[in-house]
This record gives sequence, structure tokens and C-alpha cells, in this order.
Amino acid sequence: AQRVTQPEKLLSVFKGAPVELKCNYSYSGSPELFWYVQYSRQRLQLLLRHISRESIKGFTADLNKGETSFHLKKPFAQEEDSAMYYCALGTGNTGKLIFGQGTTLQVKP
Amino acid sequence: EAGVAQSPRYKIIEKRQSVAFWCNPISGHATLYWYQQILGQGPKLLIQFQNNGVVDDSQLPKDRFSAERLKGVDSTLKIQPAKLEDSAVYLCASSLTGDNEKLFFGSGTQLSVL
Repeated sequence: AQRVTQPEKLLSVFKGAPVELKCNYSYSGSPELFWYVQYSRQRLQLLLRHISRESIKGFTADLNKGETSFHLKKPFAQEEDSAMYYCALGTGNTGKLIFGQGTTLQVKP
Repeated sequence: EAGVAQSPRYKIIEKRQSVAFWCNPISGHATLYWYQQILGQGPKLLIQFQNNGVVDDSQLPKDRFSAERLKGVDSTLKIQPAKLEDSAVYLCASSLTGDNEKLFFGSGTQLSVL
């Protein structure tokens, strides 16, 4: 079965603390993994994708096929990082995405 | 560039009524998606169009939901008759080719079925 699991509904940290948002997936094929973010009153938007191997707004994510994980990390959280984060799995080349349930990141001052 | 446009922004109806949502994707984007997002859950794909053809509608409840994308540009999603469990945000998204690339999302339509 194709599935994305984000075990934490809410993650609360203080400004300057490290952040790790967990994501695990289940897929028998070659996965494409994405992180999407939704800031308050804004649209859902792409944050990063594993194939690009880039750092966006200080966030990075590494695909670990052995552990079937794609955790999102940032060494020093900022208040403006407060948002809902969704991990998504792309299957095949159709563009279809399977989303996790999302994790709310709350960065306290 | 102009983003994905959706209307209406909010809709409140009673169960067994019908409702329609409209989406205009980013100009030139061949692929259009409709997602349903129930409160507390991630978006779930209902239907995917490539130009005006359906690529995937495996999770669309076809007894009550229908969607079309005439002329391969804008799209409408209809629910008839609505049930209480259809209360959700309906998101439209588009992408240039549909090949596991970046999706651009609209603001969504929040539907409440009473």
C-alpha cells in the first residue's frame, strides 16, 4: 500500500532550537518525495523535493530508502517557520501525490 | 504570474443539495488536479486531468461526484447530492506537464454541508 505517515500532529519549539519534522513512507517502487508548506492564510506551496537536493529557507531533507524516511530538518528555527507542513509521495510519473496528515510547527519566541 | 483561481471561497449547503466548484489553472498548465481535504487530514486526490482527458479518478465517488475540463483549460467539480461527510476544503492544483513536478495550489473552496 502507498502511504505517508507523519507521526506528530504538533511540534512546538523555541526560536533558535533545532527542528526535525518526521515523515515515513510506504511504496514498493522508486519514490519521489516532497515537502509542502502552508503558512497562515496562504496557499499550500512546495518547500522542497528530494530530487533537487537543495536547501530552502534553511530546511533540508534527505531521502533514506533503507528507513523509508524523508525527515525535514532545520538547525535553528525562526518564528516565521510556524506553519503546517505536509510530506508527500509521488508515485510513477503521473504527478499524483499522496499526502501525509501534516504536522503543525509552532516556533515560540 | 497569476495563480490558480478558485471560486467560490466558501459554500454552505444542506445535505442532499447540489453544489459546483470552479477552477482556472495557471495559463499553459496541462495538468489539473482536484483534491479533497477533510479537517485534520492531508489533501486526498479526487481526480487528475491531462489537458481535457482524465488520468486518474480512482478515488472519486462517482455516484455523487463529477468533474469536467472542457477545452482543457478551466474545470468544474460537482457534488449531487451532497452528504454531511463531504464537508471539506476542495483544492484545485495545476502543473506544467504532470511529471512529478511542482504543483501550484489554489486557495480552495471550503464546503460545509449541514
